[in-house]
Amino acid sequence: DAGITQSPRHKVTETGTPVTLRCHQTENHRYMYWYRQDPGHGLRLIHYSYGVKDTDKGEVSDGYSVSRSKTEDFLLTLESATSSQTSVYFCAISEFTGGYGYTFGSGTRLTVV
Amino acid sequence: GDSVTQMEGPVTLSEEAFLTINCTYTATGYPSLFWYVQYPGEGLQLLLKATKADDKGSNKGFEATYRKETTSFHLEKGSVQVSDSAVYFCALSDYSGAGSYQLTFGKGTKLSVIP
Repeated sequence: DAGITQSPRHKVTETGTPVTLRCHQTENHRYMYWYRQDPGHGLRLIHYSYGVKDTDKGEVSDGYSVSRSKTEDFLLTLESATSSQTSVYFCAISEFTGGYGYTFGSGTRLTVV
Repeated sequence: GDSVTQMEGPVTLSEEAFLTINCTYTATGYPSLFWYVQYPGEGLQLLLKATKADDKGSNKGFEATYRKETTSFHLEKGSVQVSDSAVYFCALSDYSGAGSYQLTFGKGTKLSVIP
């Protein structure tokens, strides 16, 4: 969707290096989310944000941190990448919480070697 | 905690066949239910939703009815096309505390439609 972009789209990194993924939105939505998608697991929530500087952990937050200093940007950082963090990462946004559904970005494919 | 269970794939159908993808859920509250679709190389797109019991969501020929008595939200389409080939995810949104809701996804069902 034009209102949400993720960067980079693809990245290969070495074990032990820090990695930051960026999610940028132009919709001025309050809520932003980071998911990872792995075969056999579907999508699992890593972290989410309900406003600037307001974030909370999801189901699989170990090894990840996030920051949101502006409404439009939500950063996901792998402090020291491991091979188990090889995955496809999706950002999502929503204007409201509850039964309104999310808009997803196109994903970042991260490979840790 | 909340969970979503959907039928294992992959599912392979011939064009114009009838499609059903089963989805059942477990939730502590009164969730909203969704079906998302993911085309190859893309992110997820909302296909349809239902926010209360007996609601029917529909879009692009797909339908799903929120059945509280059976805790189900099965996806159906009367006549599939090759362009429907994708991965389909069932999901629920339920209250997670601190004034926010979260989406919980099933593992996805890959559909392939052959001419």
